[in-house]
Amino acid sequence: GNSVTQMEGPVTLSEEAFLTINCTYTATGYPSLFWYVQYPGEGLQLLLKATKADDKGSNKGFEATYRKETTSFHLEKGSVQVSDSAVYFCALKSYGNNRLAFGKGNQVVVIP
Amino acid sequence: NAGVTQTPKFQVLKTGQSMTLQCAQDMNHEYMSWYRQDPGMGLRLIHYSVGAGITDQGEVPNGYNVSRSTTEDFPLRLLSAAPSQTSVYFCASSFEGGTGTFGYGYTFGSGTRLTVV
Repeated sequence: GNSVTQMEGPVTLSEEAFLTINCTYTATGYPSLFWYVQYPGEGLQLLLKATKADDKGSNKGFEATYRKETTSFHLEKGSVQVSDSAVYFCALKSYGNNRLAFGKGNQVVVIP
Repeated sequence: NAGVTQTPKFQVLKTGQSMTLQCAQDMNHEYMSWYRQDPGMGLRLIHYSVGAGITDQGEVPNGYNVSRSTTEDFPLRLLSAAPSQTSVYFCASSFEGGTGTFGYGYTFGSGTRLTVV
């Protein structure tokens, strides 16, 4: 079945630092891949997505590239701000199946 | 443009009580689903629906019922609340239009925080 694995544990970093959150997946066929962000007390919001190999999704300075050869979709941002503090979820959806499979999420804390 | 609306935002129940969490969307989405979010567990799918009159179970359906009489509404019923059902519940919807739509993401509601004592 489909599954998503995110790196363990919260991420704490200083403002303007480089952020990477790892995401790998297992799926049949060629899934669509997503990153969602959840700010404190709110629901999940779609941050970016990619629907085929080598696609790069980008939004609000965040980027992620769909790597079929390594089954990965790592999230990156070059210079984080305090306002980027949130929980980030990687997710996938397979062709012909509308069910999203989520990773467990990573808490990101940005310190001024 | 309301999107997905969940009510109530907060609820405290006593063990054994029943209640219904409401979810409504105004985007004419065919697909709707309920998730629960627990610390360290991520989001787990409870039930989902691919259209009015059609529902199915997700990963953790026990203790919950759903129905889908209209495209807009997808209520989640707790039959007899238990402390293990203390969680944050999210409703989500998505466009489901066939072969070209697997790249669509979900729109989430803002959640219902439920405490069962």
